[in-house]
Amino acid sequence: EVQLVESGGGLVQPGGSLRLSCAASGFPFRSYAMSWVRQAPGMGLEWVSTIGGSGSSTSYADSVKGRFTISRDNSKNTLFVQMTSLRAEDTAIYYCAKDLAGGSYNFDLWGRGTLVTVSS
Amino acid sequence: DIQMTQSPSFVSASVGDSVTMTCRASQGIHSWLAWYQKKPGKAPNLLIYAASTLQSGVPSRFSGSGSGTDFTLTISNLQPEDFATYYCQQANSFPITFGQGTRLEIK
Repeated sequence: EVQLVESGGGLVQPGGSLRLSCAASGFPFRSYAMSWVRQAPGMGLEWVSTIGGSGSSTSYADSVKGRFTISRDNSKNTLFVQMTSLRAEDTAIYYCAKDLAGGSYNFDLWGRGTLVTVSS
Repeated sequence: DIQMTQSPSFVSASVGDSVTMTCRASQGIHSWLAWYQKKPGKAPNLLIYAASTLQSGVPSRFSGSGSGTDFTLTISNLQPEDFATYYCQQANSFPITFGQGTRLEIK
């Protein structure tokens, strides 16, 4: 089955760290760029980060640059984001998303999301 | 950064109606625009990419048009399952940006 399954969300204190994972199945994972997109409570969608298929190229939103690190393990079909120095405004549902094709940066497959809550 | 502005923010319509919503980019993005449908508690669903290409499996009552800075999404013959929030997204350059959304509700 073609799917993405996120994990690793939870409650963390401001300034803390968290690592999210996204397990992919049903498609040639290494052939596609992957991204993280988040949605804060009551807000719209916000792109967070993208990584190329080989893992050598990455991009970040200014809001997370220097605090979040995206990576992937193509041998395990898994996408990661390491989040540090977390802030209240990072509270959101985090979705991993698959690129449609060829670096289109449109997202045709999404996970169900994992909730990150940053609060003391 | 390219800003995406959607209008209206909210629209009310009835089953069987047609609705059109717009998305404007702060600078030209050629046809690098996608539309997504988002329902509460569910992941976003890609409807349209490259401004006017219907994603596989999406009903033909959805259509997109535009290029450069101005884009539209039209939904014809609204069905109950279409009531949701719709987001546009530019893929022309990083940072990737979404519009703030248009919420479509049942009249």
